[in-house]
Amino acid sequence: AQSVTQLDSHVSVSEGTPVLLRCNYSSSYSPSLFWYVQHPNKGLQLLLKYTSAATLVKGINGFEAEFKKSETSFHLTKPSAHMSDAAEYFCVVSGYAGNNRKLIWGLGTSLAVNP
Amino acid sequence: ETGVTQSPTHLIKTRGQQVTLRCSSQSGHNTVSWYQQALGQGPQFIFQYYREEENGRGNFPPRFSGLQFPNYSSELNVNALELDDSALYLCASSTGTGGYEQYFGPGTRLTVT
Repeated sequence: AQSVTQLDSHVSVSEGTPVLLRCNYSSSYSPSLFWYVQHPNKGLQLLLKYTSAATLVKGINGFEAEFKKSETSFHLTKPSAHMSDAAEYFCVVSGYAGNNRKLIWGLGTSLAVNP
Repeated sequence: ETGVTQSPTHLIKTRGQQVTLRCSSQSGHNTVSWYQQALGQGPQFIFQYYREEENGRGNFPPRFSGLQFPNYSSELNVNALELDDSALYLCASSTGTGGYEQYFGPGTRLTVT
């Protein structure tokens, strides 16, 4: 069965410092992986996706993620945090719910950016 | 290209009532998925519609039902509302039924009193 674990429920960084949001996955086959962001009282926006092409994936707003099969990880990074990055971040893996292939969501990581 | 839209944005209902939420998928997308997101929680998959047929369902009771129309827009219906149904309901559209990135609407905030 496929699963995804976000290792930190809350991350706090200072503006201008690097961001690291950790995600581990479990999949019996080559997965598709995604990161979504949700700003307060807003819908979800796709940040980036990995679909078995380049292992380093660049997304919007300066975010990127590296697929590491040996570590079953897909951590999200950004070199320099901005106040507008404060939001909830979800790591998602494609997998099966019963007989249907679906997106399986992590529980989310809340990112706070301090001035 | 038009994104995913949902209506209404906010809704207040009384326990026991019925509600219908609407979603228009992004142009070119034939699949719609519905999620419930309680406050402070991640999205919970309700069900998915592909070409007007239900294509998978999460752990939600039958009083949660849906429809997809020939233009791929969709409705979520909830009967006999309960207080725990208060949540943000998100609709997402995609070009396929699984493993494809989904594009979300802004959501409908439902409050049940």
